Amino acid sequence: EVQLVQSGAEVKKPGESLRISCKGSGFTFTTYWIGWVRQMPGKGLEWMGIIYPADSDIRYSPSLQGQVTISADKSINTAYLQWSSLKASDSAIYYCAKSSGSWHQSAFDYWGQGTLVTVAS
Amino acid sequence: EIVMTQSPATLSVSPGERATLSCRASQSVSSNLAWYQQQPGQAPRLLIYGASTRATGIPGRFSGSGSGTEFTLTISSLQSEDFAVYYCQQYNYWPPYTFGQGTKLEIK
Repeated sequence: EVQLVQSGAEVKKPGESLRISCKGSGFTFTTYWIGWVRQMPGKGLEWMGIIYPADSDIRYSPSLQGQVTISADKSINTAYLQWSSLKASDSAIYYCAKSSGSWHQSAFDYWGQGTLVTVAS
Repeated sequence: EIVMTQSPATLSVSPGERATLSCRASQSVSSNLAWYQQQPGQAPRLLIYGASTRATGIPGRFSGSGSGTEFTLTISSLQSEDFAVYYCQQYNYWPPYTFGQGTKLEIK
């Protein structure tokens, strides 16, 4: 069974750093792309970026480039999304998702349960 | 960046009736178009990929059509569990692979 299990909810203060995780199982982690999608409170889905864990090829949404860092550790089938200095506007639910094909040009067929990040002073 | 525009923003339909949701791309995305369903408090679920191929386990009442810039998701006979928010996504040009703003399907 394909699963993406994300780390738990986080409450942080502005300026703090954070790394959230997404652990894949039930599929060959290095054969698919793993993407990150943001959903701000009451809003729609926003594509943030995507990584190919086999070689850490990463593409970011231009609007988020430099704001977040995507990485992966293929030895433990885990992808990460991290911030070096959080802002209140980073408060959102973050989903990881797996590409349906081994090529990045594919839909997301499995999703993690989401990680709620709250940034408040 | 490709802009995906969904219409209407909210659609009110009675159970058992047909629902038709639209998605338009600012330029051609070929057939590289997916539809997702999101229930409140849940992660999105893939319904359709390749504009018209149902994902694994998706009931036959869901169908997708279109190519280029105009796409449609049709739900033939609405069940209670179908009332949710629906998103289209293009995965033809990156980055980013943009989503539409969503259509909320509500009970009339």
